[in-house]
Amino acid sequence: NAGVTQTPKFRVLKTGQSMTLLCAQDMNHEYMYWYRQDPGMGLRLIHYSVGEGTTAKGEVPDGYNVSRLKKQNFLLGLESAAPSQTSVYFCASSRDSSPYFGPGTRLTVT
Amino acid sequence: AQRVTQPEKLLSVFKGAPVELKCNYSYSGSPELFWYVQYSRQRLQLLLRHISRESIKGFTADLNKGETSFHLKKPFAQEEDSAMYYCALSGPGGFKTIFGAGTRLFVKA
Repeated sequence: NAGVTQTPKFRVLKTGQSMTLLCAQDMNHEYMYWYRQDPGMGLRLIHYSVGEGTTAKGEVPDGYNVSRLKKQNFLLGLESAAPSQTSVYFCASSRDSSPYFGPGTRLTVT
Repeated sequence: AQRVTQPEKLLSVFKGAPVELKCNYSYSGSPELFWYVQYSRQRLQLLLRHISRESIKGFTADLNKGETSFHLKKPFAQEEDSAMYYCALSGPGGFKTIFGAGTRLFVKA
């Protein structure tokens, strides 16, 4: 089992550009999450999903969109990247509790 | 509102000394509580959860509902314990897990 995988691992964007981060899990988990990790702020929940076809806003959803078309995939989109979105993005999945994390995507917006 | 507070950003102890990382939470109901650890440039890993009441790598954590705390303790710190530690909670069913700001533990030789 690969667990939770994320692509890409690194990305540099210019302000205003768009991109999609892909998360995939092979554990048949119902719940999936996107977090951002910033120094001194810990992990903050961006969006989450409780099942295929459903998504919900977390603590810091502005500037991001998500989709869960397939149970195993959870996509995070940035329509118009801003420097404030420079961060490390972690995807996670869980069945009942204690989310299992992916390796992270380091995104820099210049 | 749900909230997890870790009051210390940095904790520095000598090898062999006891260590306690503090965590307080706010939640209307009965949350599930966890501690996660993140070693340098690695993914977050679950360290322990309050419902399992187990000891992992010598760490324990006791849920105090009266004080709404879930402090992480280890009697004798090791250099390999140096890492970032996050306290987290989730609601019923385990979804929508939120995290504290984290405490960086540095164990000196």
